[in-house]
Amino acid sequence: QQQVKQSPQSLIVQKGGISIINCAYENTAFDYFPWYQQFPGKGPALLIAIRPDVSEKKEGRFTISFNKSAKQFSLHIMDSQPGDSATYFCAARVWAGNQFYFGTGTSLTVIP
Amino acid sequence: ETGVTQSPTHLIKTRGQQVTLRCSSQSGHNTVSWYQQALGQGPQFIFQYYREEENGRGNFPPRFSGLQFPNYSSELNVNALELDDSALYLCASSQGGTGASNEQFFGPGTRLTVL
Repeated sequence: QQQVKQSPQSLIVQKGGISIINCAYENTAFDYFPWYQQFPGKGPALLIAIRPDVSEKKEGRFTISFNKSAKQFSLHIMDSQPGDSATYFCAARVWAGNQFYFGTGTSLTVIP
Repeated sequence: ETGVTQSPTHLIKTRGQQVTLRCSSQSGHNTVSWYQQALGQGPQFIFQYYREEENGRGNFPPRFSGLQFPNYSSELNVNALELDDSALYLCASSQGGTGASNEQFFGPGTRLTVL
């Protein structure tokens, strides 16, 4: 059973455009929601994260929007650049046991 | 400050064999989590070690086992390898306990191929 559902599976965006990736969850025990960026041959790297008591968090060109009642959160990449081309994973953590559950990933391609 | 390192980088084994993967946690971190990432999938939580004790386990059979050493480095052992065990195995370190940080730092992974 996939605890965190992520969409779309792949995304192609023009340089300068906005990339939007969505995730949904059911487990109300999740208390921390990070997004990771992974390049080929590398481990995932933390990009930005949010806690459920906040509806939005922005860091540079990256913004997380969080809707607690709908159990959904999304990553927005503004002014997308070719260097942003990577696979993005949303995740959610259950505090008890500090276990992280990942989405299935979105492959982002930014066309110059 | 050194990052998370894993060894070996790549490994090829045959069905039924046993394998040991190693992870050195980031300096100052006392918690190590192991994940299995199949091709085209997100990482799946295997288990976590905190101060040398298992501190949570995902839906993996007992032939997946681990250890954490006093210096907080860790090993993942997989017995009786199956073809479906072919994946990228990721180690992530974090600071647990008092003053715990939410953030976990991943190593580059070990690519295991089972033939």
